[in-house]
Amino acid sequence: GAVVSQHPSWVICKSGTSVKIECRSLDFQATTMFWYRQFPKQSLMLMATSNEGSKATYEQGVEKDKFLINHASLTLSTLTVTSAHPEDSSFYICSAFIAGLTDTQYFGPGTRLTVL
Amino acid sequence: GNSVTQMEGPVTLSEEAFLTINCTYTATGYPSLFWYVQYPGEGLQLLLKATKADDKGSNKGFEATYRKETTSFHLEKGSVQVSDSAVYFCALSVQYSSASKIIFGSGTRLSIRP
Repeated sequence: GAVVSQHPSWVICKSGTSVKIECRSLDFQATTMFWYRQFPKQSLMLMATSNEGSKATYEQGVEKDKFLINHASLTLSTLTVTSAHPEDSSFYICSAFIAGLTDTQYFGPGTRLTVL
Repeated sequence: GNSVTQMEGPVTLSEEAFLTINCTYTATGYPSLFWYVQYPGEGLQLLLKATKADDKGSNKGFEATYRKETTSFHLEKGSVQVSDSAVYFCALSVQYSSASKIIFGSGTRLSIRP
């Protein structure tokens, strides 16, 4: 089946630093990727939709200047958490579509971010 | 708006028990419905899906039927195993441009006792 990878799988950083998380579709092209955030024992909250070659679309309440998304190729999207603070600590998950199969999302394993 | 409501957990059952996890939805239009599973330490996996009313999705002994009249998509399994212990998410998709956004329920943690 289709595989989506994320890197790193976990990261610890100091408050005020920026962290980049990569999401890759390994064996298919993904024109659209989604970024989610999952708090402990809670559901996934959609943060933004990442479209290859264009600006990301952010959900209401998500700060676009804090969570920078770049989708430079059909297999890679990145999420950069800028000037991270402890409240940004969370589990970040990406998903990707196979072009032409609009109903099928494949999820990455997630990245756990801890901000000290 | 679009939303998904599923029964709160945790749900604890003995091995070979019958499982039902309730899920209801609110949506405009005709969404597709999904159940995703998240095993401990792993990413989300699609368990099953149904794309139109009266469709039944099934996989690994799990089943769910798309009921438009009751706006429900309850997950069932006749005999659960310890390996089924995981968090289960009910979800629906809404069309967004060339792809679909997925809206998740809050998740139900299932624990199966040997």
